Amino acid sequence: GAGVSQSPSNKVTEKGKDVELRCDPISGHTALYWYRQSLGQGLEFLIYFQGNSAPDKSGLPSDRFSAERTGGSVSTLTIQRTQQEDSAVYLCASSPGQVGNEKLFFGSGTQLSVL
Amino acid sequence: AQSVTQLGSHVSVSEGALVLLRCNYSSSVPPYLFWYVQYPNQGLQLLLKYTSAATLVKGINGFEAEFKKSETSFHLTKPSAHMSDAAEYFCAVSPMNRDDKIIFGKGTRLHILP
Repeated sequence: GAGVSQSPSNKVTEKGKDVELRCDPISGHTALYWYRQSLGQGLEFLIYFQGNSAPDKSGLPSDRFSAERTGGSVSTLTIQRTQQEDSAVYLCASSPGQVGNEKLFFGSGTQLSVL
Repeated sequence: AQSVTQLGSHVSVSEGALVLLRCNYSSSVPPYLFWYVQYPNQGLQLLLKYTSAATLVKGINGFEAEFKKSETSFHLTKPSAHMSDAAEYFCAVSPMNRDDKIIFGKGTRLHILP
């Protein structure tokens, strides 16, 4: 596609339910990030995939959060047993991944609301 | 490990006045530095980046930033603010000598007063 695509754009769920957020990066981009954006917290790094390397999971806030990237393309962020504090916009970004100074291309995000 | 600090979560300037958004970084190795902008109801986009080619970097929409190693700063400026500059601005850092993740600051929301 032309850009980074995220789905769904909005997700409302009940506390305790599991949710899956999807990211389709730009074709050929080897680097993929997940960030969380909430009021006053800026862009919180969650996880980073780079090619075939082991992902950098150092930003995941708890073991309820996990992410995978299948075939080096599509990524899914899973939040288990959602809590109200998980409510935020979840942003995915990708870059060609050849060097560290490349710009990131961001998706429009998934607005998650946990009731 | 690298980190970014943006001073001031909200900054207000009058239309036509100087815009100054502050960013200080911490990095154990020479950094790449970025400014991203998020206009209302839009996604984030790159404003400019520092990659060691020049310490003064010019970006889109008249913005520029200067890398000052001695001050570990990368402040964003624009000589004359326009109403359309109202947005949230994020400073970001990644290590230069390896392909490591990009870390963002908490952002500064810029308000333009008529």
